[in-house]
Amino acid sequence: AQSVTQLDSQVPVFEEAPVELRCNYSSSVSVYLFWYVQYPNQGLQLLLKYLSGSTLVKGINGFEAEFNKSQTSFHLRKPSVHISDTAEYFCAVSGANFNKFYFGSGTKLNVKP
Amino acid sequence: GAGVSQSPSNKVTEKGKDVELRCDPISGHTALYWYRQRLGQGLEFLIYFQGNSAPDKSGLPSDRFSAERTGESVSTLTIQRTQQEDSAVYLCASSPSAGRYTGELFFGEGSRLTVL
Repeated sequence: AQSVTQLDSQVPVFEEAPVELRCNYSSSVSVYLFWYVQYPNQGLQLLLKYLSGSTLVKGINGFEAEFNKSQTSFHLRKPSVHISDTAEYFCAVSGANFNKFYFGSGTKLNVKP
Repeated sequence: GAGVSQSPSNKVTEKGKDVELRCDPISGHTALYWYRQRLGQGLEFLIYFQGNSAPDKSGLPSDRFSAERTGESVSTLTIQRTQQEDSAVYLCASSPSAGRYTGELFFGEGSRLTVL
């Protein structure tokens, strides 16, 4: 079975500072990787995904993530955060048939002015 | 609306009662998923429907939980004899058919269940 670990439950950061949200997964087979974001009082929405090709993936709102197969990681980064990035971020992994998505426990990003 | 719709948005029930949660997926989406999110925890897979294929029920935590879907439309998640540990937000998501699949799940806003 696959599993996803998000080590940081909360990340406080000042506006315009860089941020990295960590995600590690465990799987012995090829996987597809995703980051979802949940803004306050809204449903989850896709931020970015890795299906194949370049290991550096760019998503919405200036976020990017890098797939590192040897370290089984898919960390999310943004060089300069805004107040509006305050949300909870979930890393997820799926196998080839997309019948199950395994989610991490989430990281709450709190951007302070 | 064009998004995934879930009802009720909030449900408070007494221990031992049955509850039914409803999900209206995006029109044309053949895949439908149910997840459970307990407070402070990640999303826990419950069940997956893909078109007319047999559903993947491997995530249902007990026989008190069941789900149905009529064709490629509405799905209902039923919890019988609710327990306090069933308190959680129940999330529904849908996605297009595998042939057009981009790996993106479209989530509803969830149904918050509180069992007293």
